[in-house]
Amino acid sequence: AQSVTQLGSHVSVSEGALVLLRCNYSSSVPPYLFWYVQYPNQGLQLLLKYTTGATLVKGINGFEAEFKKSETSFHLTKPSAHMSDAAEYFCAVSSQGGSEKLVFGKGTKLTVNP
Amino acid sequence: KAGVTQTPRYLIKTRGQQVTLSCSPISGHRSVSWYQQTPGQGLQFLFEYFSETQRNKGNFPGRFSGRQFSNSRSEMNVSTLELGDSALYLCASSSPPGATQYFGPGTRLTVL
Repeated sequence: AQSVTQLGSHVSVSEGALVLLRCNYSSSVPPYLFWYVQYPNQGLQLLLKYTTGATLVKGINGFEAEFKKSETSFHLTKPSAHMSDAAEYFCAVSSQGGSEKLVFGKGTKLTVNP
Repeated sequence: KAGVTQTPRYLIKTRGQQVTLSCSPISGHRSVSWYQQTPGQGLQFLFEYFSETQRNKGNFPGRFSGRQFSNSRSEMNVSTLELGDSALYLCASSSPPGATQYFGPGTRLTVL
């Protein structure tokens, strides 16, 4: 079985500060890993994904994440937060070569203070 | 390319009724998955369809069912609605199976 743990249901940063959202996963098979963002009253938008290959993955809006197998982590970072980054962020895992089923973390709500 | 569309966007029903939600995937995508999002349980997988066949099912009661048509459009049905079924229901499409899932805006279901 797969699972995802997002540390911190709420994270608050100042505009221009580093954003770090933590994600740890559990998977008995090689994982695919994803970060999605959800703005109020909207669906989920893909920020970035890790499948195979390079462990540092760059996504949209200046976000990136690094797959660390030894730590079973896939933390999301952005060097400088913008007000528009305020949203809820979800980390998810699925199985390589497996089904479409995504297992999501509980989400982290990011607040950006001016 | 148009994204995933879901209809209706908002729905209000009463306990005991049934409801049908619709999802049109991105053109060319043949795989459709459904998720339920609630404040308490978060995002939970409901089902996955590919080429009109259910490939995977989440841990939900039999009141929740779905289907996929030959044009890849999908519907999900919830019978005998309960208050706890109030949620945002999200549909996602992908192609081929195992590829990135793209989500629609969701249908907000309120059960009174």
